[in-house]
Amino acid sequence: DARVTQTPRHKVTEMGQEVTMRCQPILGHNTVFWYRQTMMQGLELLAYFRNRAPLDDSGMPKDRFSAEMPDATLATLKIQPSEPRDSAVYFCASGLVGTAHEQYFGPGTRLTVT
Amino acid sequence: DAKTTQPPSMDCAEGRAANLPCNHSTISGNEYVYWYRQIHSQGPQYIIHGLKNNETNEMASLIITEDRKSSTLILPHATLRDTAVYYCIVRRPNQFYFGTGTSLTVIP
Repeated sequence: DARVTQTPRHKVTEMGQEVTMRCQPILGHNTVFWYRQTMMQGLELLAYFRNRAPLDDSGMPKDRFSAEMPDATLATLKIQPSEPRDSAVYFCASGLVGTAHEQYFGPGTRLTVT
Repeated sequence: DAKTTQPPSMDCAEGRAANLPCNHSTISGNEYVYWYRQIHSQGPQYIIHGLKNNETNEMASLIITEDRKSSTLILPHATLRDTAVYYCIVRRPNQFYFGTGTSLTVIP
């Protein structure tokens, strides 16, 4: 049963520290998405990759957030420096664009910045 | 604007059909309607999608009005495990706006 995996599942860090979240997409999928979910804002798209190339990262604060896909099996989302307002659940999803298999979501990383 | 309008919450008796409405009056062209659900603390899960014809799969049915300005997701026999937030999305290129969804509670 193929699944999107995310690590770590939980992260507690202090303000100003660097945070790196990792995602392993399902093998064969050509798109990767990063979302952030909070009670106030709901699910927000941060970045979107197709064939490892960034297509849209307009939802991501550029001064502190960065997203990359160093290879087809790994996507990373980095926050440097982190702030308390970054506390949220971060979801990664992978899929095949334009199909019913467009987005399979991982279990999320729950980030708490104190 | 690809945003949709859904009621914030609904209840449904276990074993009955759950009908979740969605308005997408600004839908145009070849934009698909997708439905996802999110069970507490988990990542969203794909349910079904359609363009203009009604669709059915093992999870649900999707009814899209002829003018395509609204749709209804039908869970034919709701179970307690269907309690979740249901999101209706109009799929535009590079746009994935989930909105606030409908919180469905299935009551025993």
